Amino acid sequence: DAKTTQPTSMDCAEGRAANLPCNHSTISGNEYVYWYRQIHSQGPQYIIHGLKNNETNEMASLIITEDRKSSTLILPHATLRDTAVYYCIVRDGRDDKIIFGKGTRLHILP
Amino acid sequence: EPEVTQTPSHQVTQMGQEVILRCVPISNHLYFYWYRQILGQKVEFLVSFYNNEISEKSEIFDDQFSVERPDGSNFTLKIRSTKLEDSAMYFCASRTGGSTEAFFGQGTRLTVV
Repeated sequence: DAKTTQPTSMDCAEGRAANLPCNHSTISGNEYVYWYRQIHSQGPQYIIHGLKNNETNEMASLIITEDRKSSTLILPHATLRDTAVYYCIVRDGRDDKIIFGKGTRLHILP
Repeated sequence: EPEVTQTPSHQVTQMGQEVILRCVPISNHLYFYWYRQILGQKVEFLVSFYNNEISEKSEIFDDQFSVERPDGSNFTLKIRSTKLEDSAMYFCASRTGGSTEAFFGQGTRLTVV
């Protein structure tokens, strides 16, 4: 079962920052937070992951709270192509498989 | 940019027939996976494969399913006798030995009629 809680859906205006929250209150010390997205039935796409420090790459930023019980994925300048289902996943670094939950359906509005 | 390639993109088969879904993982990757997604539902893990053997499988992956890496490049999923409920998108994924993020193919849509 997914160890995370995400809103079912969110809207964001094009050009604005999209902030997607995720709760993972039962996360343990050796578990990472991963984010993937799925654009309209395409294969899931890796976005970013982190353990406790904030992370940034060319796609997004990941902000993890100090107690690690929640995190936020930030898409700094959302475009229409960012419309997708976003999955927050908690996973042990030794765990091989990915368990997907229902994710957040993000709609970018023109 | 290297990518995971799946063929065919869409397969229609009659109930009871055998199907083979094909995947070409990224060339230097060592870990391989199959997932499926029934229309409108979550992406579900089926099986992981490393060093020419299954490392983990889910309850979905019963005796009707098998995987194979017949050569150095292909990774296949076989369903021996398809059922209507096998209709789904099937995604292949792979990763290197030194990283934990997996890269997914674009999927094969299997329709069992």
